[in-house]
Amino acid sequence: NAGVTQTPKFRVLKTGQSMTLLCAQDMNHEYMYWYRQDPGMGLRLIHYSVGEGTTAKGEVPDGYNVSRLKKQNFLLGLESAAPSQTSVYFCASRSGGEARTQYFGPGTRLTVL
Amino acid sequence: QQQVKQSPQSLIVQKGGISIINCAYENTAFDYFPWYQQFPGKGPALLIAIRPDVSEKKEGRFTISFNKSAKQFSLHIMDSQPGDSATYFCAASMAHQKVTFGIGTKLQVIP
Repeated sequence: NAGVTQTPKFRVLKTGQSMTLLCAQDMNHEYMYWYRQDPGMGLRLIHYSVGEGTTAKGEVPDGYNVSRLKKQNFLLGLESAAPSQTSVYFCASRSGGEARTQYFGPGTRLTVL
Repeated sequence: QQQVKQSPQSLIVQKGGISIINCAYENTAFDYFPWYQQFPGKGPALLIAIRPDVSEKKEGRFTISFNKSAKQFSLHIMDSQPGDSATYFCAASMAHQKVTFGIGTKLQVIP
């Protein structure tokens, strides 16, 4: 099992460019999450999904969109990147019900110039 | 609104010492309190977790102490080792709800 994988690992964008971050999990998990990690800010939830075809906003959703067309994939899109979106992005997943452990991917380091 | 407050933000401990990280929460509906460990360049991984019906949980050198009345919980790392150097996040959640994380504590264990 690969667990949670993220593509790409690193990316540099210019202001105004767009990109999509891909998260894939092979654990048949229902729930998937996108977080950003910034120094002194901890992990902040951007968007999440409680099942295929569903998405919901987290605490910092502005400037991002997501889609979950397949259960195993969760895509995070930046339509017009801004320097404030420079961060490390983590995807996580967990099974539903009482299983609360979140399994994180290795992260994507994004720099917006 | 920061629902889970974590302190300190950084901690330096000598090898063999005890590392203590504290967290406080506000929402009494939280019913699951995990700690995640993150090494540089990696994603966080679950270290240990506790539910509010117990006051302490121990796994090896790692112990969670939980005080329900004070709405506080802490992570104790006994006999701290250089390999424990990492960032530690406390968190809290309710059933079917998203997890709220603390801001993290960067622990450095020096020889």
